[in-house]
Amino acid sequence: SQQGEEDPQALSIQEGENATMNCSYKTSINNLQWYRQNSGRGLVHLILIRSNEREKHSGRLRVTLDTSKKSSSLLITASRAADTASYFCATDLNRDDKIIFGKGTRLHILP
Amino acid sequence: KAGVTQTPRYLIKTRGQQVTLSCSPISGHRSVSWYQQTPGQGLQFLFEYFSETQRNKGNFPGRFSGRQFSNSRSEMNVSTLELGDSALYLCASRLLEETQYFGPGTRLLVL
Repeated sequence: SQQGEEDPQALSIQEGENATMNCSYKTSINNLQWYRQNSGRGLVHLILIRSNEREKHSGRLRVTLDTSKKSSSLLITASRAADTASYFCATDLNRDDKIIFGKGTRLHILP
Repeated sequence: KAGVTQTPRYLIKTRGQQVTLSCSPISGHRSVSWYQQTPGQGLQFLFEYFSETQRNKGNFPGRFSGRQFSNSRSEMNVSTLELGDSALYLCASRLLEETQYFGPGTRLLVL
C-alpha cells in the first residue's frame, strides 16, 4: 500500500486563488518532499521539509508538517495557469531510506 | 550541470520480449532509483542502486532487474514483457540522502 496519500485526488480552482493539497503518511520519516509533474513528464522537486521542521516557504509555496498527525500540506498562493500539474508527496522512511510516493493530486487552474 | 538523462524516451515492444532502459545520473550523484508510473498504481518504487550495489528494492517480480556501473550509470531490464508493464519508467539520482532529481522518463508500450 502507498505510504503517502494525497488529498484531494483532483482540484480545480480559478487563477489567482490559493490551492491547498494534503498528504498523510503511515510510518515515521526522515523528511517529506513535494514534487510536481507536468503531463507525464519527469518530476520536479519543489520543497523538502525535515521531520524536525514544522513549516517551510519557497516563493509562492508553503509546506507544513505535523509529525504527530503524520500529515503535511502544500499551499500554492496566487495560482497561475502554469501551476496546472500533478503534485506528489514523497516520504523518506527512516527505517530503510526508501523514498515512497503517494498517488498525487491533479491540480487544474482555470483561466 | 547536465540533468538526469534516460534513453530511449519511447519504446514499443511485444509481449514476451525483453527490454533494457538506461539512466545517466547527474555528475557526482552515486544513488540511482527507478520508478514505474501507471495511471492505476501511481509511482511505484522499483529499486535503488548506490555505488554499484542494490540498496533497496520494491515489490516487483524477478522479471525486473537492474544494475549500476562504476560511473554510476544504471540500467534496468524487464524480461518476458507483459501488457501490464506498459508504463512510464522514471529514473532519479540523488546526492547523499536527500532531494531526488528525475529524468524525463522512458515511455514503454507493450503490445
